[in-house]
Amino acid sequence: ETGVTQSPTHLIKTRGQQVTLRCSSQSGHNTVSWYQQALGQGPQFIFQYYREEENGRGNFPPRFSGLQFPNYSSELNVNALELDDSALYLCASTEGGGELFFGEGSRLTVL
Amino acid sequence: GEDVEQSLFLSVREGDSSVINCTYTDSSSTYLYWYKQEPGAGLQLLTYIFSNMDMKQDQRLTVLLNKKDKHLSLRIADTQTGDSAIYFCAESLLSGGYNKLIFGAGTRLAVHP
Repeated sequence: ETGVTQSPTHLIKTRGQQVTLRCSSQSGHNTVSWYQQALGQGPQFIFQYYREEENGRGNFPPRFSGLQFPNYSSELNVNALELDDSALYLCASTEGGGELFFGEGSRLTVL
Repeated sequence: GEDVEQSLFLSVREGDSSVINCTYTDSSSTYLYWYKQEPGAGLQLLTYIFSNMDMKQDQRLTVLLNKKDKHLSLRIADTQTGDSAIYFCAESLLSGGYNKLIFGAGTRLAVHP
């Protein structure tokens, strides 16, 4: 148990729809990052939030967006879903750039 | 560039040692990590090594780092069936004031009796 919780654990959407994934970070952690893990691949960095501001972004299009709230919980939003967005989405929290604690992930299937 | 390479599959007999190898390209990595992922689960941090170290031992796990060759390995002594999983190597890069992890594609470890 890392103290990082994600919801929902599984969901199915159709192409063109929008999805919101949620993450509660470990207590005291002010930095949250999101990763996408496609089937058979390693996780890829989407973006990072620090104190409610995005402060780093990987090679993902603008339809991937996020929020971080004052309690440091976070959301990942994906608009105009495509089939290739099917993946496990992992949230990780850290405090002061130390060890990353990962949640169990949200598995998204796009049909 | 940012790239981490791992062999895709390793099969070992229970009780033997397993060695999983990884190469990375960015010499500015601060930390290098090994994560374990079991089916349907998230990532579990196994161990990590700071980039100015060349070896770290933690119970059955030994990490070796050759910074000149940008090569990292994870040795699991006395491998058990419960060690069957996918193992990811990752390097931590500090870029523009934030840290991100670059992961390899993972090595699937199969332990057989």
